[in-house]
Amino acid sequence: GAVVSQHPSRVICKSGTSVKIECRSLDFQATTMFWYRQFPKQSLMLMATSNEGSKATYEQGVEKDKFLINHASLTLSTLTVTSAHPEDSSFYICSARPTENTGELFFGEGSRLTVL
Amino acid sequence: DAKTTQPPSMDCAEGRAANLPCNHSTISGNEYVYWYRQIHSQGPQYIIHGLKNNETNEMASLIITEDRKSSTLILPHATLRDTAVYYCIVRAMDSSYKLIFGSGTRLLVRP
Repeated sequence: GAVVSQHPSRVICKSGTSVKIECRSLDFQATTMFWYRQFPKQSLMLMATSNEGSKATYEQGVEKDKFLINHASLTLSTLTVTSAHPEDSSFYICSARPTENTGELFFGEGSRLTVL
Repeated sequence: DAKTTQPPSMDCAEGRAANLPCNHSTISGNEYVYWYRQIHSQGPQYIIHGLKNNETNEMASLIITEDRKSSTLILPHATLRDTAVYYCIVRAMDSSYKLIFGSGTRLLVRP
């Protein structure tokens, strides 16, 4: 089956630093990738849609300058949390849509960010 | 995308069928019903999807009512590993493809 890998799975950083999370589709090409954030005991909240070779589309209320998304290739999208603060601590999850239109999205295992 | 309504929690005994309901009374003709589940601290896992016909795969069965306003996900023989949050999502097959998650149903499978 299609595999989406995220790295790192866990990261702890100091307040004010920037953290980059990678999302890779391992055995398929993904034209579109999505980034979600999930706080404890809450559902997934869509942050942005990332299309290869173009600027990401952010959901309402998500700061594009805070959460930088790059989708430079058909197998890699990155999310950079800039100037992280404790309130940015969360579980970040990506998903990828295969270029071959199956309608199904495949999710990564998530990255847990803790900002001290 | 149409909104869905699911019970916040359910439980069932191991080995028995788990029937998870979902209401989507405002679903449009071009919207599919998708089911995903999320085991604690993991990414969501695709289970099944359908448009109007009932669907079955190795994981589950999806029963969609004739008016398409509700559906039921059936796990025929629940195991302890099926304990998870189950999300019912309706989505059109348009160019966005994004999935908007609701609050889901927390299923607890009891030994």
